[in-house]
Amino acid sequence: RKEVEQDPGPFNVPEGATVAFNCTYSNSASQSFFWYRQDCRKEPKLLMSVYSSGNEDGRFTAQLNRASQYISLLIRDSKLSDSATYLCVVNKRDYKLSFGAGTTVTVRA
Amino acid sequence: DTGVSQDPRHKITKRGQNVTFRCDPISEHNRLYWYRQTLGQGPEFLTYFQNEAQLEKSRLLSDRFSAERPKGSFSTLEIQRTEQGDSAMYLCASGEGTMGYTFGSGTRLTVV
Repeated sequence: RKEVEQDPGPFNVPEGATVAFNCTYSNSASQSFFWYRQDCRKEPKLLMSVYSSGNEDGRFTAQLNRASQYISLLIRDSKLSDSATYLCVVNKRDYKLSFGAGTTVTVRA
Repeated sequence: DTGVSQDPRHKITKRGQNVTFRCDPISEHNRLYWYRQTLGQGPEFLTYFQNEAQLEKSRLLSDRFSAERPKGSFSTLEIQRTEQGDSAMYLCASGEGTMGYTFGSGTRLTVV
């Protein structure tokens, strides 16, 4: 079983829509959680950390459910520029990140 | 320059040749990571340095792969006797503490 599993999508949504997706992680000892964004043929970039109480960053909301071992990302009022692959990332110890394969989101005009 | 720099951006090599990539991390970061990414997959951990010490190597890192970080600054990743299966994007990242890390633009390796 992979350490981090994501629905690969793609999620095709119109501009202005809300899109949400999850990932699950296998190791209950995981300590830190992140969402990274990756554009085609570019490097991953940190989108946001995910905290136990849930957190927002503008149009992006992240939630963590430790009991069920899943993490979610919700994007409100989608923009064309939100089209990307979103990588779910888990940190078991303080130095090694484990990545999911990514969820592709395409926002259409 | 405040980001992570990788060189070269692209490398095409013939099977059996040796290649070396360089990574310059963010100067105040003492942790440096190498990851490999193939199409449709997330980055996979290869190895990690704390200053000049290489603290962990993935089982993905066969004996054809070697990484160094002399003096705890830049790092090099060498692949000897390249194989077609080595074709991938090689990503370097640096970081501090338990926060998310900053990636370089990567070196895209194509073995022909």
